[in-house]
Amino acid sequence: EPEVTQTPSHQVTQMGQEVILRCVPISNHLYFYWYRQILGQKVEFLVSFYNNEISEKSEIFDDQFSVERPDGSNFTLKIRSTKLEDSAMYFCAGRSWNTEAFFGQGTRLTVV
Amino acid sequence: TQLLEQSPQFLSIQEGENLTVYCNSSSVFSSLQWYRQEPGEGPVLLVTVVTGGEVKKLKRLTFQFGDARKDSSLHITAAQTGDTGLYLCAGDPRDTGTASKLTFGTGTRLQVTL
Repeated sequence: EPEVTQTPSHQVTQMGQEVILRCVPISNHLYFYWYRQILGQKVEFLVSFYNNEISEKSEIFDDQFSVERPDGSNFTLKIRSTKLEDSAMYFCAGRSWNTEAFFGQGTRLTVV
Repeated sequence: TQLLEQSPQFLSIQEGENLTVYCNSSSVFSSLQWYRQEPGEGPVLLVTVVTGGEVKKLKRLTFQFGDARKDSSLHITAAQTGDTGLYLCAGDPRDTGTASKLTFGTGTRLQVTL
């Protein structure tokens, strides 16, 4: 059964450093998303991506965040200068035209 | 802003008991999805309900979508320890054919003990 794959599973980085979180969505998916979940809190929407551009982004997704899908396969989330409060689980998700969203296993980002 | 409130937030029961989790909103959703999440893992889809009043069953789990498509419930019959986890509802506005985002509920953490 196809699945959404995220790497790395856990990333520890120093404050101020850049991180790139990677996702390989299911091949026939068209819409892609990043969500995050701070420990003990709800899952929050960050950004949606369709047709190689951002469709919608939340207030969380400020200038420090960017997404791209450079090769039509990998879908990445970059945080340019990490802050302590960026520590969270980051989930990639994808969906096709009229299907449910399927989530990856997540990347746990720890900023120290 | 669309908000989804789940209740209860925490539930600790013994194996064999029944329980119901509620997901409520003032907004109308095109569909509503239920996920279960284990610690350190991503949400895993359980079911999608689409039609107002729809009832879906998944073994001992019964999902219902409200008539007005603003709320949903999850009922578990004869809970087992394997049902332990975080249950999330997520509403899909799908107002157009765009990349509409899911709005997640606040979550219900269920613990089932022997």
